Amino acid sequence: AQTVTQSQPEMSVQEAETVTLSCTYDTSESDYYLFWYKQPPSRQMILVIRQEAYKQQNATENRFSVNFQKAAKSFSLKISDSQLGDAAMYFCAYRSARLTGANSKLTFGKGITLSVRP
Amino acid sequence: DAGVTQSPTHLIKTRGQQVTLRCSPKSGHDTVSWYQQALGQGPQFIFQYYEEEERQRGNFPDRFSGHQFPNYSSELNVNALLLGDSALYLCASSLRTGGKTTNEKLFFGSGTQLSVL
Repeated sequence: AQTVTQSQPEMSVQEAETVTLSCTYDTSESDYYLFWYKQPPSRQMILVIRQEAYKQQNATENRFSVNFQKAAKSFSLKISDSQLGDAAMYFCAYRSARLTGANSKLTFGKGITLSVRP
Repeated sequence: DAGVTQSPTHLIKTRGQQVTLRCSPKSGHDTVSWYQQALGQGPQFIFQYYEEEERQRGNFPDRFSGHQFPNYSSELNVNALLLGDSALYLCASSLRTGGKTTNEKLFFGSGTQLSVL
């Protein structure tokens, strides 16, 4: 079974600064997807960024980028130029890429609460 | 274009009662997944419905059951409620491509907050 671990329960960052959120995972599979989701107080899960395990290049979406270390099973999220609207819970998630009907399941970590100081 | 809608937004029940939660997927989506998010935890997968059948199930007891209708909307039913069932229940929809689900993007609703007293 796959597991996702987020060991930092809370982090704080000054507005306009950079923050990195950590995530590790465990799997015996070689092909999978990794995600970072944002959950604001509205409770809706919003996809921030996605990484395909077979791609060497780290994914980037505007101010958000990841550091994907496949051998170390590490997947951290870097938020640059932090904004007040970035304050939320952030979840790291794993999904298998096996071509079966069972591969849509997302396995989430416990999440990290990010606060942004003005 | 409406996203994923869930109803009700909040619900209070007592132990032993039964509850039904509802989800309408994003327009054009045919697959619905349900997740349970306890306070301070990440969401946990309950089950997924596609073509009106349960396709995959997480580690949840039979008290948790579901249904998908021909219009792709879905219900989650929980029988004999326990205090531990208090949680946010999230619905996510997606579109299968060619029967495979490797590359679909999930869209989440805002959830139903269930409190069991």
